Amino acid sequence: EVQLVESGGVVVQPGGSLRLSCAASGFTFDDYTMHWVRQAPGKGLEWVSLISWDGGSTYYADSVKGRFTISRDNSKNSLYLQMNSLRTEDTALYYCAKDISAVASGYFDYWGQGTLVTVSS
Amino acid sequence: DIQMTQSPSSLSASVGDRVTITCRASQGISNSLAWYQQKPGKAPKLLLYAASRLESGVPSRFSGSGSGTDYTLTISSLQPEDFASYYCQQYYLTPQYTFGQGTKLEIK
Repeated sequence: EVQLVESGGVVVQPGGSLRLSCAASGFTFDDYTMHWVRQAPGKGLEWVSLISWDGGSTYYADSVKGRFTISRDNSKNSLYLQMNSLRTEDTALYYCAKDISAVASGYFDYWGQGTLVTVSS
Repeated sequence: DIQMTQSPSSLSASVGDRVTITCRASQGISNSLAWYQQKPGKAPKLLLYAASRLESGVPSRFSGSGSGTDYTLTISSLQPEDFASYYCQQYYLTPQYTFGQGTKLEIK
């Protein structure tokens, strides 16, 4: 059974930093591109970032470019999102999501339950 | 970026009804469209991809169609478990993936 379990979400002040983690199991992690997708409270879905199967390619939404860094450790079946210079508009539930292939196909067949990041003073 | 516009934003329907949700892209996306269902407090679930291909395990009452810029999700006979929010997503413009704003399907 595929499982994605996010962690690391907390309340942080504007300008602060945070690292989210996603632990994957039930599939061959290094066979797939992975993504982060977020959802602000009561709002829709926003794609945030992706990383290729080997970590060699990373991409970001314009809204987080230069502030967030995605990474992965295939030896630990784990995905990460380093979030710096946080803004109030980054407040959201952050989902880890699995792409359907090793190269980014761009849609997601499994999602975690999300971890809540609240940016507030 | 490609803008995705869903309509309606909300919809009331009864069990057994046939329901259609529309998604319009700001430019052609060559059927690179997925549909997701999201229930309150839960993660989104993939229903269809490539505009009309049903994800494994998804009931056949869900179907998708469309081309170019205009796409539809149809539920042929609503079941109680189908009351949820639905999102379309384009993956034509890699990697700037975008979602529609969502359609909330409520019980009449």
